[in-house]
Amino acid sequence: GESVGLHLPTLSVQEGDNSIINCAYSNSASDYFIWYKQESGKGPQFIIDIRSNMDKRQGQRVTVLLNKTVKHLSLQIAATQPGDSAVYFCAENGNAGNMLTFGGGTRLMVKP
Amino acid sequence: ETGVTQTPRHLVMGMTNKKSLKCEQHLGHNAMYWYKQSAKKPLELMFVYNFKEQTENNSVPSRFSPECPNSSHLFLHLHTLQPEDSALYLCASSQDRPGRANVLTFGAGSRLTVL
Repeated sequence: GESVGLHLPTLSVQEGDNSIINCAYSNSASDYFIWYKQESGKGPQFIIDIRSNMDKRQGQRVTVLLNKTVKHLSLQIAATQPGDSAVYFCAENGNAGNMLTFGGGTRLMVKP
Repeated sequence: ETGVTQTPRHLVMGMTNKKSLKCEQHLGHNAMYWYKQSAKKPLELMFVYNFKEQTENNSVPSRFSPECPNSSHLFLHLHTLQPEDSALYLCASSQDRPGRANVLTFGAGSRLTVL
């Protein structure tokens, strides 16, 4: 299910380290943001979301940070595990009709 | 299983064939979506249905024809496709109506190859 052939930025981290995946969005009208994880052969899976009235939200081992001033979103994964290896997509809802628009994705590779 | 089931998982078809992709959601959601994921582009929204009514057609060529007989089932009918239509077709559903800030639940996708 990954975007095979798409030139994805790749982040390579050592198992146990923290990972930070970044996403820049373009529409200042966006008020909802979401991160998805897509493993090979699978569809995207929801990780965490955040609304524009917040700048930080935490889940289990994941934290999303939102900086509306510079239109930047990041996903932090604590104590990265081999099972975290996947393509990560951010999405925003700022287009016409408030439909989700997805970014190109970042491939996370975890080295044992 | 994510609650959204897509069949077939893999499909190879010639340009003159007619085939259909099927999606079924078991989540009681009200909205369903078709997305295209190709090798060179990010996820692209194709069609949106809310309570069986089509609310969005994202300038998709007519060789793709969606059908939503009820809020649990969604089809994508394919005919006279082109090789550039080869992609992973993802179905998704959401609890809330399209355009609201709500999570989409995706199926595993149907990998289509057009020869």
